[in-house]
Amino acid sequence: EAGVVQSPRYKIIEKKQPVAFWCNPISGHNTLYWYLQNLGQGPELLIRYENEEAVDDSQLPKDRFSAERLKGVDSTLKIQPAELGDSAVYLCASSQSTGHPTEAFFGQGTRLTVV
Amino acid sequence: GDSVTQMEGPVTLSEEAFLTINCTYTATGYPSLFWYVQYPGEGLQLLLKATKADDKGSNKGFEATYRKETTSFHLEKGSVQVSDSAVYFCALSERDSSYKLIFGSGTRLLVRP
Repeated sequence: EAGVVQSPRYKIIEKKQPVAFWCNPISGHNTLYWYLQNLGQGPELLIRYENEEAVDDSQLPKDRFSAERLKGVDSTLKIQPAELGDSAVYLCASSQSTGHPTEAFFGQGTRLTVV
Repeated sequence: GDSVTQMEGPVTLSEEAFLTINCTYTATGYPSLFWYVQYPGEGLQLLLKATKADDKGSNKGFEATYRKETTSFHLEKGSVQVSDSAVYFCALSERDSSYKLIFGSGTRLLVRP
């Protein structure tokens, strides 16, 4: 069974440019998460989807970040415009259902460098 | 709010040494507790979990016991191998935080042959 797939693995962009990350969750997983992992820190939740609905986006900086999950499967996270401080690893995860407890499966992440 | 505190790394051990990575938590409710591992170049993987007090999670020789009285979930392994070198994250999840995973900052383990 394929795991959570993210692309690209690495991205280098100049500040003020837009960037997008893509995530394909495990088949059948209706919950999808985007996490931000800064260097030397643990992941922090940006947004959580239940199917196509964003049910927790309280930590998403909405002035420059946006996300979508069309048809409740793949998801895209966008930053426009990128800032130097956005350099980090962006992790996508999925799980079969919300509730307690549920195992989240993580992708390998996209490492973003803003120069 | 909820939080997780882990011992700072790196932790450097010789092969076959005993490992302990400390983890304590603060939660408003009754959380489930997890240890995730991140091997070099790979994504986070669930290592073990425990859902109620005194539960012991175990996997691949690693163990952790849910201690409610000390709000701790320390990770232990009796004999580490070079292949255990990775970053280990303690995390919690509970209903009061909408079941999102809240992670500690991670502890890097380096095992030398």
